[in-house]
Amino acid sequence: SQQGEEDPQALSIQEGENATMNCSYKTSINNLQWYRQNSGRGLVHLILIRSNEREKHSGRLRVTLDTSKKSSSLLITASRAADTASYFCATDSLYGNNRLAFGKGNQVVVIP
Amino acid sequence: EAGVAQSPRYKIIEKRQSVAFWCNPISGHATLYWYQQILGQGPKLLIQFQNNGVVDDSQLPKDRFSAERLKGVDSTLKIQPAKLEDSAVYLCASSLDLGRSGGELFFGEGSRLTVL
Repeated sequence: SQQGEEDPQALSIQEGENATMNCSYKTSINNLQWYRQNSGRGLVHLILIRSNEREKHSGRLRVTLDTSKKSSSLLITASRAADTASYFCATDSLYGNNRLAFGKGNQVVVIP
Repeated sequence: EAGVAQSPRYKIIEKRQSVAFWCNPISGHATLYWYQQILGQGPKLLIQFQNNGVVDDSQLPKDRFSAERLKGVDSTLKIQPAKLEDSAVYLCASSLDLGRSGGELFFGEGSRLTVL
């Protein structure tokens, strides 16, 4: 079964606003990754945060990780229409045979 | 650098027929993955290879699905016979790391299968 579960499932925002997505997981992890998927395309890696890190930035992306709550959040600041996509978190479990397990995904629509 | 190549992009078959998908990973990537993504869901791992050996195939329906990675490079995923519930996008991914520490995965564009 897949570990990550994103919340909320769908988000519609105006261009320029911030978008926040959450992900929870069940077992201890080595790291957590976020991926973006545009409609009809493959997934693209956005950012990886290791279990001993609490926050990481990459451009307009900010990821936090709370291992005590087994949760992560992805913040996209100053959103653009091109950010319209589905966003997935994926966890590399300590006990999962190196299997990267994906959550159900958040669909984000940025309205120009 | 060339990305992960997959073919065909689209395939429509009738149930009980067979289908094969091909994947060419990024050069030098030791680990190759096949994921199944049903519409509206996240990708589910079917099989993971490290070079030409299978690391994890616990979620592969082995009565109808098979996969191989000859010479540790290209891979094929076959479904025979197909069922309606196999309708999905089949994503191939590769990574540089040798399976440990969960490195970044590079995905192909996927092969969309429709079973009628």
